[in-house]
Amino acid sequence: DIQMTQSPSSLSASVGDRVTITCRASQNIINYLNWYQQKPGTAPNLLIYAASYLQRGVPSRFSGSGSGTDFTLTITSLQPEDFATYYCQQTYKTPTWTFGQGTKVEIK
Amino acid sequence: QVTLRESGPALVKPTQTLTLTCTFSGFSLTTSGMCVSWIRQPPGKALEWLALIDWTDDKYYSTSLKTRLTISKDTSKNQVVFTMTNMDPVDTGTYYCGRAVAHGYYYMDVWGKGTTVTVSS
Repeated sequence: DIQMTQSPSSLSASVGDRVTITCRASQNIINYLNWYQQKPGTAPNLLIYAASYLQRGVPSRFSGSGSGTDFTLTITSLQPEDFATYYCQQTYKTPTWTFGQGTKVEIK
Repeated sequence: QVTLRESGPALVKPTQTLTLTCTFSGFSLTTSGMCVSWIRQPPGKALEWLALIDWTDDKYYSTSLKTRLTISKDTSKNQVVFTMTNMDPVDTGTYYCGRAVAHGYYYMDVWGKGTTVTVSS
């Protein structure tokens, strides 16, 4: 199976900060990479699909980039509602999908 | 509006079979590109993909769990049924179903709220 490694596992940031989360695949997944946000006690919510396409209704402060094995999720100006855990997911090896281990964004 | 809802037992005993039902509305599993997938999440841990069924009735399973999993659909009821055999306490967690879209890329755009399953004697 393709392994997905996120870094960091957690981070502390302040409202207004620019936040970057990275996801590395164990092999080339082209751009078959999605990002989800999950808040405690709720289901994940799709933010970005195909590495860089913003899901409808998701604020434009979220963006995704990357291709091949290295990908990035960026939040340009962190808002109070953005404190959550973020997961990347590869869908290249369809459909033996895998998720990263998650990155928890906490309030500094 | 697309919605999905998971239902099933909250508690199962070790070695028993878990059966969960995903009831959905707002789309059809006979429409090209539509799929339903199951994901689980142990308490405090990461998401784990389990299974997927698509509009052609093709079925796919997690490599590590495939001997224990079955997924099927009833298009007349707009339901997907998921079973996992030989349950163990490590299978405790929240189980989600979600719509997966296959339009060149695959992604899960709508999720159910999840159902919590505890495996204990």
